Amino acid sequence: EPEVTQTPSHQVTQMGQEVILRCVPISNHLYFYWYRQILGQKVEFLVSFYNNEISEKSEIFDDQFSVERPDGSNFTLKIRSTKLEDSAMYFCASSEENSYEQYFGPGTRLTVT
Amino acid sequence: QKEVEQDPGPLSVPEGAIVSLNCTYSNSAFQYFMWYRQYSRKGPELLMYTYSSGNKEDGRFTAQVDKSSKYISLFIRDSQPSDSATYLCAMSVGLGNTGKLIFGQGTTLQVKP
Repeated sequence: EPEVTQTPSHQVTQMGQEVILRCVPISNHLYFYWYRQILGQKVEFLVSFYNNEISEKSEIFDDQFSVERPDGSNFTLKIRSTKLEDSAMYFCASSEENSYEQYFGPGTRLTVT
Repeated sequence: QKEVEQDPGPLSVPEGAIVSLNCTYSNSAFQYFMWYRQYSRKGPELLMYTYSSGNKEDGRFTAQVDKSSKYISLFIRDSQPSDSATYLCAMSVGLGNTGKLIFGQGTTLQVKP
């Protein structure tokens, strides 16, 4: 069964450093998303991406964040200068065109020290 | 008022019990309703997807949407210890939307053998 994959599973970084979180969505999916979940809190929407551009972003997704689909399979989330409060699980999700069913990856746990 | 509200529990039931999980919401524009299951430190797994009002059944799971009351439910029949997880409701606005999901807090369920 096709699934969304994410790497790395755990990333530890120092405050102020740049991190790139990687995702491989399901191959025939066209919509891509990033969500985050701070420990003990709700899953929160960050950004949606379609046709090589951002469709919608939340207020969390400020200038420190960017997304990219560098090739036909990968989808990345970059945080330019990490802050302590960026520590969270980051989930990538994807869906088919004209579908609201989103399939999530296993997540990357980001720890900022 | 929070956009999506869900009792975090925990909810503890004996094996074989019928479980009822619920969410309320305030945004009448929501049309797509999902239930996800999340095991500890894993990604959300899509269980059920419903459009608009009504019931949908899949094996031991039944999803119910009452748009007039802004209330959705997930019923689990013959609950098993393997059903022990956190159950997240999620919702999306309809046509023209970018697919952004709004999640509830999640209800932690424990099914005791």
